[in-house]
Amino acid sequence: AQTVTQSQPEMSVQEAETVTLSCTYDTSENNYYLFWYKQPPSRQMILVIRQEAYKQQNATENRFSVNFQKAAKSFSLKISDSQLGDTAMYFCAFMKHAANSGYALNFGKGTSLLVTP
Amino acid sequence: EAGVVQSPRYKIIEKKQPVAFWCNPISGHNTLYWYRQNLGQGPELLIRYENEEAVDDSQLPKDRFSAERLKGVDSTLKIQPAELGDSAVYLCASSSQISKNIQYFGAGTRLSVL
Repeated sequence: AQTVTQSQPEMSVQEAETVTLSCTYDTSENNYYLFWYKQPPSRQMILVIRQEAYKQQNATENRFSVNFQKAAKSFSLKISDSQLGDTAMYFCAFMKHAANSGYALNFGKGTSLLVTP
Repeated sequence: EAGVVQSPRYKIIEKKQPVAFWCNPISGHNTLYWYRQNLGQGPELLIRYENEEAVDDSQLPKDRFSAERLKGVDSTLKIQPAELGDSAVYLCASSSQISKNIQYFGAGTRLSVL
């Protein structure tokens, strides 16, 4: 079974600053995907960024980037130039690689991020 | 293109009553997921469908929960009878055959059992 641990229940950052959210995971799989999802208050969950385990290069999406350390089983999210709209719950998630169909996402407990003016 | 649509958004019922949730996935998405999200937790899978076939229902409490996906499109999740511990947000997600590792979520149904 895969477990995902987010050790920071809450974090706060000032607008325009940079913040890093931590995530570690445990798996015996060699090929898998890692994700960060954002869930704003009372709104639906949306994908922020995705990393394929076989790719050594860290994924980036505009202001969002990850630090993927496969050997350490660590997958942190860095948000640069934080904006008020980044306030949300952030979930780290793991998915086994599948050839023909999707698998379930295994989520951490989430980190609540507050961006202040 | 419309996203994943769920209804109702909110439901309040008394314990022992039945309740049903409905999900319409993104058009063309063959895989449909139902997750349950308890307060302060990440979502956990209840059941996964590939077209009309339930391929992973190991976490579905089958004594009171049931689900169906007739014709491999929209899906219904039912609880009968509901218990206090069933209070949670029920999320539906879908993914396509082409981008099977990217799941798109609906807004969820928040269930309160009194």
